[in-house]
Amino acid sequence: DQQVKQNSPSLSVQEGRISILNCDYTNSMFDYFLWYKKYPAEGPTFLISISSIKDKNEDGRFTVFLNKSAKHLSLHIVPSQPGDSAVYFCAARGQGNLIFGKGTKLSVKP
Amino acid sequence: GAGVSQTPSNKVTEKGKYVELRCDPISGHTALYWYRQSLGQGPEFLIYFQGTGAADDSGLPNDRFFAVRPEGSVSTLKIQRTERGDSAVYLCASSLTMVTYNEQFFGPGTRLTVL
Repeated sequence: DQQVKQNSPSLSVQEGRISILNCDYTNSMFDYFLWYKKYPAEGPTFLISISSIKDKNEDGRFTVFLNKSAKHLSLHIVPSQPGDSAVYFCAARGQGNLIFGKGTKLSVKP
Repeated sequence: GAGVSQTPSNKVTEKGKYVELRCDPISGHTALYWYRQSLGQGPEFLIYFQGTGAADDSGLPNDRFFAVRPEGSVSTLKIQRTERGDSAVYLCASSLTMVTYNEQFFGPGTRLTVL
């Protein structure tokens, strides 16, 4: 069973609009969550994270929201830019490793 | 200021062969991780090292997979008797210490294709 789920395999948005990527998790013991961004033929790169004691973390155009009661987190990108087109992975901190979702491919159209 | 490097970038082999995949972590990083990413999936944890020792190898799928890090820096992932199902991108990551394992820096991966 997947502990971290990204149910939307793809998302397409217009440049300048908001992108919202969603992630659900099943293990209430997870205490730290991360978003990674991946371009083709490159490794994932860290984007933003949030501790379970917070409900929001913001870094420039990127904001992550955490709803612990719903076991749900989301990544908001605003305004979206064509360079944001990539695969975004949600991850939870496990016991010394990261547990990833399957990813959502974001396409930002000019 | 090199990041994590992995060699080779691509490896094509035949079923039943033995392969070695190499990872050079960021200098000074004591923790090193291996993940496997199959098509359409997220990275899946295989093993991680703190220094020279494997701290957790619970993600290795079976005993055909083995990894070493003899001097606490470079690591090699070894796969014996490869099977077509082993085809995937193998990602390596490192972090400064095991305590900061949420701050993992990934290499570009090795794409393994087993024919």
